Amino acid sequence: EPEVTQTPSHQVTQMGQEVILRCVPISNHLYFYWYRQILGQKVEFLVSFYNNEISEKSEIFDDQFSVERPDGSNFTLKIRSTKLEDSAMYFCATMRGRWGSGANVLTFGAGSRLTVL
Amino acid sequence: QKEVEQNSGPLSVPEGAIASLNCTYSDRGSQSFFWYRQYSGKSPELIMFIYSNGDKEDGRFTAQLNKASQYVSLLIRDSQPSDSATYLCAVHSTNFGNEKLTFGTGTRLTIIP
Repeated sequence: EPEVTQTPSHQVTQMGQEVILRCVPISNHLYFYWYRQILGQKVEFLVSFYNNEISEKSEIFDDQFSVERPDGSNFTLKIRSTKLEDSAMYFCATMRGRWGSGANVLTFGAGSRLTVL
Repeated sequence: QKEVEQNSGPLSVPEGAIASLNCTYSDRGSQSFFWYRQYSGKSPELIMFIYSNGDKEDGRFTAQLNKASQYVSLLIRDSQPSDSATYLCAVHSTNFGNEKLTFGTGTRLTIIP
């Protein structure tokens, strides 16, 4: 069964350092998302991405965050200067069609656990 | 008012019994409703989705939607120890933002052998 692949599975970084989290979407999926989950809390939307541009972003997704799909395969989330409160599990999720179509099921990757010290 | 609300639990159910999980949502215009299962330390895994009022069955799982009451539920029949997990209710509504799924906090379910 096709799956969303995320790397790294776990990254430990020092506060203030830059982090890049990578995602390989399912091959025929066109809509890409990043969500995060702080330990013990709910899954929170960060950003959606379609046709090489951001569709929507949450208030969490401030200037420290950016996304891109540089080579047509990897979908990346960059955090420029990490803070302690960025420690969380980051999930990439992808979807084949847009909401309202018959293909609007969001499939999650296994996640990347980010620990900021 | 929270957009998607769930009782955090824990909910304990004996093996073989029916587990009932509930979710309410604030936006009357919500269109699509999803139940995900999340094991500790793992990613959400889709169980089923429902768009129309009424019941939808898939194996041991039944989703129930009542848009007038802004309520969606998940029933798990013949509960197994492997069903022990956190169950996440998620809602898509154009009023929450056109391009996102909004999650509740989840209900932790424990099946007692």
